[in-house]
Amino acid sequence: NAGVTQTPKFQVLKTGQSMTLQCAQDMNHNSMYWYRQDPGMGLRLIYYSASEGTTDKGEVPNGYNVSRLNKREFSLRLESAAPSQTSVYFCASSENFSLAKNIQYFGAGTRLSVL
Amino acid sequence: GEDVEQSLFLSVREGDSSVINCTYTDSSSTYLYWYKQEPGAGLQLLTYIFSNMDMKQDQRLTVLLNKKDKHLSLRIADTQTGDSAIYFCAESDASGGSYIPTFGRGTSLIVHP
Repeated sequence: NAGVTQTPKFQVLKTGQSMTLQCAQDMNHNSMYWYRQDPGMGLRLIYYSASEGTTDKGEVPNGYNVSRLNKREFSLRLESAAPSQTSVYFCASSENFSLAKNIQYFGAGTRLSVL
Repeated sequence: GEDVEQSLFLSVREGDSSVINCTYTDSSSTYLYWYKQEPGAGLQLLTYIFSNMDMKQDQRLTVLLNKKDKHLSLRIADTQTGDSAIYFCAESDASGGSYIPTFGRGTSLIVHP
């Protein structure tokens, strides 16, 4: 059981470059999320997808776009990377964000450096 | 908006008990969670408690919830070096029609031999 798979695990970009972070889950979950983790800041929600075909902004969406490609996959795109986007990015999924017990399952993370 | 606060660091000796504390502001919280993050890995659910409970025990883990004071704690008995990790407190409520959890900043637990 793979759970939530993120690719790549590590990436170094130059300022202005673009890239897409991939995420896939095999638990038939409806809801998916992208977070960034910065030292001392905890987890901050970037975007989320309640279900296939919908996406919504989280706490820190500026500089990012997302695509819910199908029920399994939710990608995060940086169109023009900036040093402030150096972070660890986590994808998560849950059965349904409208359930009171909304347990999230996380991928192993993508460590991104923007030079 | 909701706020979840935790202290950033805790250092304990192997074999001792660890107590990680968390406070939150939202009085309509439904579920509260503890997640564990080991070095280089993602977060994994450790345990959770429903807001109408005041205690939950699971092997070495004890969760205490004081709803009046909006205080949540995680006690780890007989702490081992393998318990060294970052522990995140999270709470969810029905704000905006969803139960997306709000996470604290995480407490780094360091266990000394």
